Amino acid sequence: DVKVTQSSRYLVKRTGEKVFLECVQDMDHENMFWYRQDPGLGLRLIYFSYDVKMKEKGDIPEGYSVSREKKERFSLILESASTNQTSMYLCASSTQWEGPRVETQYFGPGTRLLVL
Amino acid sequence: AQTVTQSQPEMSVQEAETVTLSCTYDTSENNYYLFWYKQPPSRQMILVIRQEAYKQQNATENRFSVNFQKAAKSFSLKISDSQLGDTAMYFCAFGRAQGGSEKLVFGKGTKLTVNP
Repeated sequence: DVKVTQSSRYLVKRTGEKVFLECVQDMDHENMFWYRQDPGLGLRLIYFSYDVKMKEKGDIPEGYSVSREKKERFSLILESASTNQTSMYLCASSTQWEGPRVETQYFGPGTRLLVL
Repeated sequence: AQTVTQSQPEMSVQEAETVTLSCTYDTSENNYYLFWYKQPPSRQMILVIRQEAYKQQNATENRFSVNFQKAAKSFSLKISDSQLGDTAMYFCAFGRAQGGSEKLVFGKGTKLTVNP
């Protein structure tokens, strides 16, 4: 079974702090994603990565950055946390095939971040 | 840009009954994939069912089936013999098949409650 783990289930930080959220997958997936989930807004893509050291902006990248130094690990960084970044953050991964396919994404348990 | 609409923010159903969750999407693409994901309370998001647009046959997975109407751009999820464990947020998602890492566009979700 695919396993996607996230470093924390709950996190409380202060405004202005630098926050690291880490995600690890054990299925040798090429693609990794960071989403933000807010009530009534569904899931919104922050960043994704299709290879080591490769990244692309999603729909809401402002205030966030990412790092992918190893294939299995994808980190989301809040450079200076703000209260409007209080949210649930979900990591996902998927394999990548040649040709036009869309593979199933496998999700981590989520990190609920509270910024005070 | 593709959009996904789930018009029912909340639904409820009695145990053992059948319920249908609606999803419509907007795209000019011809080759794409559609997904239903389930997120139980405080638990990980998991795939329920997926459909490839070029396949006319509706996908089924045990008690879960879809009604895929490509011309109408509709992708509803039917849950038969509802069980208490089906209580969850359900998200419909669209993925454009163009090769490489594919992003998913999610709807805002439907909160389903199965009552005993």
